[in-house]
Amino acid sequence: DPKIIQKPKYLVAVTGSEKILICEQYLGHNAMYWYRQSAKKPLEFMFSYSYQKLMDNQTASSRFQPQSSKKNHLDLQITALKPDDSATYFCASSQEGHANSDYTFGSGTRLLVI
Amino acid sequence: AQRVTQVQSTGSSQWGEVTLDCSYETSEYSYLILWYRQLFSGEMVFLIYQPSFDTQNQRSGHYSVVFQKSFKSISLVISASQPEDSGTYFCALSELESSGSWQLIFGSGTQLTVMP
Repeated sequence: DPKIIQKPKYLVAVTGSEKILICEQYLGHNAMYWYRQSAKKPLEFMFSYSYQKLMDNQTASSRFQPQSSKKNHLDLQITALKPDDSATYFCASSQEGHANSDYTFGSGTRLLVI
Repeated sequence: AQRVTQVQSTGSSQWGEVTLDCSYETSEYSYLILWYRQLFSGEMVFLIYQPSFDTQNQRSGHYSVVFQKSFKSISLVISASQPEDSGTYFCALSELESSGSWQLIFGSGTQLTVMP
């Protein structure tokens, strides 16, 4: 059973629209993260949350807003979508204060903005 | 400038030993290096990690690392490689940020092809 569920797996959106990427983790972790992988580029850190509080934000654009309604949820709302936002978005989680084998990734949401 | 550098691609024959190199930049005394494999589906699978404070090279199954801290270099070694080991391997540097969160800085990945 997947320990981190990301929905949807694939998403096509129109330029200017708004989408929410869902992430739920069932590992009992306290910290959750979002990463982005654009074509031909390494994964890039976007946000980190711990105990539902924003810890770190490396995303320049305010169009990207994480939302944590529950301890094991960290959704990503993207507004005013642009074609450059096309990428695979990965959610990850870890036990706070640890970065080892616990640092687990979801299978990603592939977003295409047309 | 890229903080984690990997060779773009490499290849091997079945049953051969594969070495994937990674170099990194950090000013931290304490950090971690993690290795992930990205499957063709896009899923990121954790393989192995090396804490900077541990002088012993880590091993996990048919994966091991050769850690050269003074050179800021680490290699992933895959023994008895199989065609199903083909894929993209990522090296990631992890430092504890001042915010208290652990952020991973990834290299561009090495595409490995293991021929039968």
